[in-house]
Amino acid sequence: DAGVTQSPTHLIKTRGQQVTLRCSPKSGHDTVSWYQQALGQGPQFIFQYYEEEERQRGNFPDRFSGHQFPNYSSELNVNALLLGDSALYLCASSLAGSSYNSPLHFGNGTRLTVT
Amino acid sequence: RKEVEQDPGPFNVPEGATVAFNCTYSNSASQSFFWYRQDCRKEPKLLMSVYSSGNEDGRFTAQLNRASQYISLLIRDSKLSDSATYLCVVYDYKLSFGAGTTVTVRA
Repeated sequence: DAGVTQSPTHLIKTRGQQVTLRCSPKSGHDTVSWYQQALGQGPQFIFQYYEEEERQRGNFPDRFSGHQFPNYSSELNVNALLLGDSALYLCASSLAGSSYNSPLHFGNGTRLTVT
Repeated sequence: RKEVEQDPGPFNVPEGATVAFNCTYSNSASQSFFWYRQDCRKEPKLLMSVYSSGNEDGRFTAQLNRASQYISLLIRDSKLSDSATYLCVVYDYKLSFGAGTTVTVRA
């Protein structure tokens, strides 16, 4: 049973560049959420995708965008990178219709460093 | 005010000890509550859900106090493997994570 997989595991980018992170949900899951975790902080909700649409969004600027594909996999895109975007980006999958009590299954994350 | 606040610790306890810590949340309409565990440089993993009447899972006991808007986690008979950061998670329209409480169990 494949869990949540994310790629790449590490990434180094320069300020102003753009980055795309990828996520495949756990087998059987159809909802993907993205979180940003800065060092020493808890994960911060970016947005959630279901049925290829953004269903909920946290307090992140429009530079952060995403996409979900028909096979439920998802991408997170960040434009015009800032130094403050350096963080661990976590993808989590779950089953729709039970978000309030459905446990999230997290991937190992992508560690993004912006220089 | 942060949506979810936790004492960052660290709580440094000997094996076999009991350790307990709280988390407060700001939205009184929050529907669901969880504790997640995160090991160093790893992804968070669900430890347990928190039910209104309180619940146990082995050595772990979670309590919810809606009136005061806090939840707690108690770990009995601490093991070395319990060393981790414990994240308090609250659901309103999304899952909001606290910054975590670090627990270190020493031999």
